Amino acid sequence: EAGVVQSPRYKIIEKKQPVAFWCNPISGHNTLYWYLQNLGQGPELLIRYENEEAVDDSQLPKDRFSAERLKGVDSTLKIQPAELGDSAVYLCASSLGGVPQETQYFGPGTRLLVL
Amino acid sequence: AQSVTQLGSHVSVSEGALVLLRCNYSSSVPPYLFWYVQYPNQGLQLLLKYTTGATLVKGINGFEAEFKKSETSFHLTKPSAHMSDAAEYFCAVTTLTTTSGTYKYIFGTGTRLKVLA
Repeated sequence: EAGVVQSPRYKIIEKKQPVAFWCNPISGHNTLYWYLQNLGQGPELLIRYENEEAVDDSQLPKDRFSAERLKGVDSTLKIQPAELGDSAVYLCASSLGGVPQETQYFGPGTRLLVL
Repeated sequence: AQSVTQLGSHVSVSEGALVLLRCNYSSSVPPYLFWYVQYPNQGLQLLLKYTTGATLVKGINGFEAEFKKSETSFHLTKPSAHMSDAAEYFCAVTTLTTTSGTYKYIFGTGTRLKVLA
């Protein structure tokens, strides 16, 4: 069974440029999560989708961040414009359904460096 | 509000020694508790989780953790460390918020385990 796929794995951009990350969850997983992981920190939830609906985006900085999950399968997270402080690892995870005791399956992440 | 505290951002043990990684949580409702491991340049992988029932939970790679409600702890142990255990370990908690009916994973800041030969 294929795991969670993320691309690109690494991205270097200059500040004020836009950037997009893509995630393909495990087949059949209805719930998709985007996390931000700063160096030396644990993941912090940005947004959670149940199918195509964003059910928790309270931590997503909506002035510059946006996300979509068309058709309830793969998802894209966008930053426009990027700032120096956005340098971090962006993790995508998926789970079967939206219950709190479920295991989340993580992708390898996209490491973003903003210069 | 729930939170997770991992004591010790770095832990070093000798190969073959006991591994003990500490995790304390705070939650206003019964929690679900998780330990994840992250190897360099990889995503997080579940080691074990506590949902209900037996408070001693066994996971992969010989790890186990005990849920102690009175101490609000969920410490991770392994009797004998192996070089391949060197990684970063994250404790996480989720609770269902009764007001909104939503839940959220809260991760600790992580403990980096170093295994000395």
